[in-house]
Amino acid sequence: RKEVEQDPGPFNVPEGATVAFNCTYSNSASQSFFWYRQDCRKEPKLLMSVYSSGNEDGRFTAQLNRASQYISLLIRDSKLSDSATYLCVVNPGGGGNKLTFGTGTQLKVEL
Amino acid sequence: GAVVSQHPSRVICKSGTSVKIECRSLDFQATTMFWYRQFPKQSLMLMATSNEGSKATYEQGVEKDKFLINHASLTLSTLTVTSAHPEDSSFYICSARGSSDTQYFGPGTRLTVL
Repeated sequence: RKEVEQDPGPFNVPEGATVAFNCTYSNSASQSFFWYRQDCRKEPKLLMSVYSSGNEDGRFTAQLNRASQYISLLIRDSKLSDSATYLCVVNPGGGGNKLTFGTGTQLKVEL
Repeated sequence: GAVVSQHPSRVICKSGTSVKIECRSLDFQATTMFWYRQFPKQSLMLMATSNEGSKATYEQGVEKDKFLINHASLTLSTLTVTSAHPEDSSFYICSARGSSDTQYFGPGTRLTVL
């Protein structure tokens, strides 16, 4: 089983749609969780951290379910500029502040 | 946010040559830097963790003698791919961590070995 699993997509959605991505992680001791965005041939950029209480940043909402080892990202009112690959990222703990990346979910927002 | 630079952004070299990639934190001191590699349509894979003034810690399966890492100062880490071969062609990305837990990524270096 992969440490971090995501549906690779692509998710093709019309502009204005709401889209949700899911991610599962295998290490129950994982300490912190993030969503990164990666545009084609570019470096990943931090979108938001994910907290157990859930957190929202504008059109983006992230949720964490530790019992199910599940993380989600909801994007409302999708924009063309949201088209990118969304990476689920987990800090598995154990010191060293390493990050484990999922393979990413590709989103394409269309007119 | 914090800025991390990488140089060069792109390099094409012949098989057997060595390539050095620099990673710099421009506006903060990075106690730890990380080197990743990403092949097409795959996730970022951590290669090694570099702490200033000490030897790098390599992930399983990464040859330390082939991928030489030097973290000589709090703002600079270098990765040297020695005797590069076509299978080393990849997107190499560094990240830097300062006093907080957040990692800031460099723009990446695309290496093509002919």
